[in-house]
Amino acid sequence: DGGITQSPKYLFRKEGQNVTLSCEQNLNHDAMYWYRQDPGQGLRLIYYSQIVNDFQKGDIAEGYSVSREKKESFPLTVTSAQKNPTAFYLCASSIDLWRQSLGNSNQPQHFGDGTRLSIL
Amino acid sequence: GNSVTQMEGPVTLSEEAFLTINCTYTATGYPSLFWYVQYPGEGLQLLLKATKADDKGSNKGFEATYRKETTSFHLEKGSVQVSDSAVYFCALRSGNTPLVFGKGTRLSVIA
Repeated sequence: DGGITQSPKYLFRKEGQNVTLSCEQNLNHDAMYWYRQDPGQGLRLIYYSQIVNDFQKGDIAEGYSVSREKKESFPLTVTSAQKNPTAFYLCASSIDLWRQSLGNSNQPQHFGDGTRLSIL
Repeated sequence: GNSVTQMEGPVTLSEEAFLTINCTYTATGYPSLFWYVQYPGEGLQLLLKATKADDKGSNKGFEATYRKETTSFHLEKGSVQVSDSAVYFCALRSGNTPLVFGKGTRLSVIA
């Protein structure tokens, strides 16, 4: 079955460490996204990528970095510059945003099961 | 910019009660509207969507109608079950942009 796989499900970070969250999809989607979820704040967009080797900052990109070397993969690195990294991180993908001239907006995003990051 | 406002939770209902979760939006252009559901410890699942004014999305007994005149997309279900307990997110997508989400509404259904 096609889907989005996030790993690990739980992750712990020591102070001053960088950690990388994995996101892989086999849906042949061009666009991929990272969101952060905190209690009572809904989902906030960290980064997104519409095509391989290109990505855009979202609303809360500071302290995070991403890469998009393959269509299937969009790893997120939480750097030591992110002062409050404890959260639930969700990866998503969707059919590409820009190649179609019309009708992009009705395509939903598909989500993985998330990674919960905690600070030791 | 685009934004979504949904009613504050938590919402607690008895089984078989009627559910309404309000959602209003602000957007440029002609957005598509979505409801997602999140069960404990899981990611988000698409519940239903509507892509133009007066469209009604429906799934698993849930319904929502795209009302352009009131910029609303309220979620309704006639008879909730304990298994409907989850967090519900209203979202929109306009043109070439990622989804914008509301803050979510937690629903608890008690037997």
